[in-house]
Amino acid sequence: QKEVEQNSGPLSVPEGAIASLNCTYSDRVSQSFFWYRQYSGKSPELIMSIYSNGDKEDGRFTAQLNKASQYVSLLIRDSQPSDSATYLCAPANFGNEKLTFGTGTRLTIIP
Amino acid sequence: DAGVTQSPTHLIKTRGQQVTLRCSPKSGHDTVSWYQQALGQGPQFIFQYYEEEERQRGNFPDRFSGHQFPNYSSELNVNALLLGDSALYLCASSSTGNPTDTQYFGPGTRLTVL
Repeated sequence: QKEVEQNSGPLSVPEGAIASLNCTYSDRVSQSFFWYRQYSGKSPELIMSIYSNGDKEDGRFTAQLNKASQYVSLLIRDSQPSDSATYLCAPANFGNEKLTFGTGTRLTIIP
Repeated sequence: DAGVTQSPTHLIKTRGQQVTLRCSPKSGHDTVSWYQQALGQGPQFIFQYYEEEERQRGNFPDRFSGHQFPNYSSELNVNALLLGDSALYLCASSSTGNPTDTQYFGPGTRLTVL
């Protein structure tokens, strides 16, 4: 079993719709969870962090965490073409320690 | 406030050569982590430096080594380059005194091994 698994992708979503990105992880001791966005040829950029079970909202982004199910997701509301990128999920014991990344989900927003 | 910086941006080497990549952390950060990202894959953790010592290491051979300087900047050295070492090398900085904070990535160095 891979340590971090994400939607296989690529994922295509119409502009204005909700994009749903999923991630499961195998390390039960993970306490911190991060979503990074990576545009083609660029480095990862942090968009959301979540530490407690439940939902966390930041603008058009909502992260959801369920530690019992070892599942974390990212919802993007009112999707824009600028949201087209690869989204990387990364659990960690603490944010300043080793991040374990999945292979990412490539999202394309269709105008 | 300068973010994480890396140099060089691009590098081309041949098999068997050695390479040194450099990273300066974000202001106020004291911890530097290095990641390797092959095409189509997520970043893979190489190692992390804090107080000039290697604190954590991923599953990479000894050909990969590093150093951290008193000003918190860091170098990644790769010896005896293989074709498979071609990748984007990412440096990320963080603050050990703030475990809930996360890591911020630099722009990366694209290494091509011919």
